[in-house]
Amino acid sequence: AQSVTQPDIHITVSEGASLELRCNYSYGATPYLFWYVQSPGQGLQLLLKYFSGDTLVQGIKGFEAEFKRSQSSFNLRKPSVHWSDAAEYFCAVQTGANNLFFGTGTRLTVIP
Amino acid sequence: DGGITQSPKYLFRKEGQNVTLSCEQNLNHDAMYWYRQDPGQGLRLIYYSQIVNDFQKGDIAEGYSVSREKKESFPLTVTSAQKNPTAFYLCASSGVRFGGEQYFGPGTRLTVT
Repeated sequence: AQSVTQPDIHITVSEGASLELRCNYSYGATPYLFWYVQSPGQGLQLLLKYFSGDTLVQGIKGFEAEFKRSQSSFNLRKPSVHWSDAAEYFCAVQTGANNLFFGTGTRLTVIP
Repeated sequence: DGGITQSPKYLFRKEGQNVTLSCEQNLNHDAMYWYRQDPGQGLRLIYYSQIVNDFQKGDIAEGYSVSREKKESFPLTVTSAQKNPTAFYLCASSGVRFGGEQYFGPGTRLTVT
């Protein structure tokens, strides 16, 4: 069965510091992978997605993610965090046309 | 502007009452979805529809019902049979092909007392 694990419930970083949010998935084949961001009380916005090809994908707002098949991971990174990046981040795996499974999310706090 | 609208933003109901949440999209997407979000549990799929007049249960469909009479609209009814209806509800839409991004509405927070 497919699953997505985000091991960090809450992360706090200083503004300007680098960020890495972890995501591990379980799926028998190569999945389609997504990172979404959610501001408080809002819907989700797509940051980036991986389907195939180059394992390092670039997204919006300066985010990138690297797909590592050997580790079943799809970690999200940003070299320098801004206060406006404070939000909740969700990793998701798609295993069929309408089957999108979400992790439980990582809440990011940015301190000045 | 293309997008998904959900109304209302906040909804309050008494226990035992049915309530319907609205979701409309003008993205010309064939597929639409309803998710429930609870703190610490991520998003869980309630129902989805790939085409007008057809829909399928997701992981937590009990106590919910939907209809898809128009391509643009996918209302969700939270019935009195839903034991814990208080939650944040998100509607999404996408194309039907594998790998299609899901676009989300702003959500409706339902509180039942």
